[in-house]
Amino acid sequence: AQSVSQHNHHVILSEAASLELGCNYSYGGTVNLFWYVQYPGQHLQLLLKYFSGDPLVKGIKGFEAEFIKSKFSFNLRKPSVQWSDTAEYFCAVRPGRGSTLGRLYFGRGTQLTVWP
Amino acid sequence: NAGVTQTPKFRVLKTGQSMTLLCAQDMNHEYMYWYRQDPGMGLRLIHYSVGEGTTAKGEVPDGYNVSRLKKQNFLLGLESAAPSQTSVYFCASSYSTGEGPQETQYFGPGTRLLVL
Repeated sequence: AQSVSQHNHHVILSEAASLELGCNYSYGGTVNLFWYVQYPGQHLQLLLKYFSGDPLVKGIKGFEAEFIKSKFSFNLRKPSVQWSDTAEYFCAVRPGRGSTLGRLYFGRGTQLTVWP
Repeated sequence: NAGVTQTPKFRVLKTGQSMTLLCAQDMNHEYMYWYRQDPGMGLRLIHYSVGEGTTAKGEVPDGYNVSRLKKQNFLLGLESAAPSQTSVYFCASSYSTGEGPQETQYFGPGTRLLVL
């Protein structure tokens, strides 16, 4: 079965600190990778995605993520967080082939709290 | 475009009652999904649909039924609600399950359900 692991359940940072959220997945074939963000009281929004090409992808609001195939990882980074980045972050994986038909497998989420 | 909309936004049920959650999308997407979100569990797929008139089970289908009579609507039914179904329910849709750039799933605002 596919699995997506987010190692940090809750991260607390001060403004301007650097952020790295870990994400590892278990699927061995071609994958599409996503980070979604959920601000308090809101629905999930796409932060960034990786389909192919440059393994370093840039998303909205200064976020980026690096796909390391050998490590089955897709870690999210931001060099300097802001109070407005307080949200829950979800990593998601979609196997590229097979019978999963576009299904996303989500990690359990990481709650980021940024103190001003 | 309104994107993905869900009704109702919030509902309280007694154990054993039934209800239907409605998801509608105006993006002409073929694929639609129902997820539930529980604290510390991330999003788990309940049922999904790859087109009008077709549905399939996800990871946690028990206690739910779905229907996709029209391409733009995806209904989630609870025939006999249980407290374990207290959750936030998200609907999502996507255009394609190929490996191109239309893989992104677009999420609705969610429905909060409390079963007493």
